Amino acid sequence: DSGVTQTPKHLITATGQRVTLRCSPRSGDLSVYWYQQSLDQGLQFLIQYYNGEERAKGNILERFSAQQFPDLHSELNLSSLELGDSALYFCASSVWGAGANVLTFGAGSRLTVL
Amino acid sequence: GESVGLHLPTLSVQEGDNSIINCAYSNSASDYFIWYKQESGKGPQFIIDIRSNMDKRQGQRVTVLLNKTVKHLSLQIAATQPGDSAVYFCAENKSGGSNYKLTFGKGTLLTVNP
Repeated sequence: DSGVTQTPKHLITATGQRVTLRCSPRSGDLSVYWYQQSLDQGLQFLIQYYNGEERAKGNILERFSAQQFPDLHSELNLSSLELGDSALYFCASSVWGAGANVLTFGAGSRLTVL
Repeated sequence: GESVGLHLPTLSVQEGDNSIINCAYSNSASDYFIWYKQESGKGPQFIIDIRSNMDKRQGQRVTVLLNKTVKHLSLQIAATQPGDSAVYFCAENKSGGSNYKLTFGKGTLLTVNP
């Protein structure tokens, strides 16, 4: 157990739907990162939050949004889902938001869009 | 542009042999590198990291070598065991700045044959 908790572990939904993925960071970590992992794209950085504020944005679609709450947990919202959104979504956390920083990953949420 | 790539997508070794996994990076501004291991059904797990002011760093059965001249990173695993079978990712980051974006390579699948 890495200390980073992600729910749900598996999610099957239909195109056009909206889902929310949840992440609780490791105790003491202030920064949360979201990554998407697909077979053809590898691990792609989506977005980072530090202590409730957005800190960096990667290849995140406009249909996707995220936030980090005062208790430091984070949610990734995926809307108007398409078949191509099927992937593993990982949350990671770290103590700091910058610098030479090791990310601790959760076990991921597997999203299947039918 | 910024990219991290791997020379070989798969590597098969015999149990007890040493394994070498290679990685090339193109962002000369990157100064912090991490190797992650991802087992089936799990999130990436930190193995070892190295800063750009070092050429070599050793851990338990693992060694990371950094050649900044040719922008090359390698992970050496001594006496490879079946439990080492996984996908290995190298990742790079520029540790300065106010944000943090770890860029991952595509990954190398290591298979250890008994």
